[in-house]
Amino acid sequence: EAGVAQSPRYKIIEKRQSVAFWCNPISGHATLYWYQQILGQGPKLLIQFQNNGVVDDSQLPKDRFSAERLKGVDSTLKIQPAKLEDSAVYLCASSSRGGNTDTQYFGPGTRLTVL
Amino acid sequence: AQSVTQPDIHITVSEGASLELRCNYSYGATPYLFWYVQSPGQGLQLLLKYFSGDTLVQGIKGFEAEFKRSQSSFNLRKPSVHWSDAAEYFCAVGASGTYKYIFGTGTRLKVLA
Repeated sequence: EAGVAQSPRYKIIEKRQSVAFWCNPISGHATLYWYQQILGQGPKLLIQFQNNGVVDDSQLPKDRFSAERLKGVDSTLKIQPAKLEDSAVYLCASSSRGGNTDTQYFGPGTRLTVL
Repeated sequence: AQSVTQPDIHITVSEGASLELRCNYSYGATPYLFWYVQSPGQGLQLLLKYFSGDTLVQGIKGFEAEFKRSQSSFNLRKPSVHWSDAAEYFCAVGASGTYKYIFGTGTRLKVLA
């Protein structure tokens, strides 16, 4: 079974530029998560999708971050414009149903550096 | 609010020695608890999880964890560490009534040959 795929693996941009990350979850998984992991910290949930609807985006900085999950499969996370403090690893995860007892499977992440 | 504390930022052990990584949580009801491992440049991999029942949980790679309600702890243990266990370990709690995991700040494990 293929795991969660993410691209790109690394991205370096200058502040005020825009960037987009892509995630392909495990086939058949209804729930998709985007996390931000700043160096030295644990992952923090940015947004959770159930199929193509948003379940929780309370910690997503909506003035600059946006995410979509068209057709309930792939997802894209965008930052526009980027700030220095957005430097982090962006992790995508998926789970089959989305309950809090449901195992989340993580992709390798995208490491973003904002200069 | 729910929270997870991993008191040890770094731990160094010799190969073959035993290991215990600490995790304390703050939560009013029965928590759902997880341990994940993150190797350099990799995503997080689930080691084990606790929902209910037997408080001693066995996981992959020879790891186990014990849920102690009285101490609000879910410590991860391994009787004999291998060099390949060097990684960062995260404890997480899944809060009832939400779909969130809340992660601790992680413990970085270094293994000496």
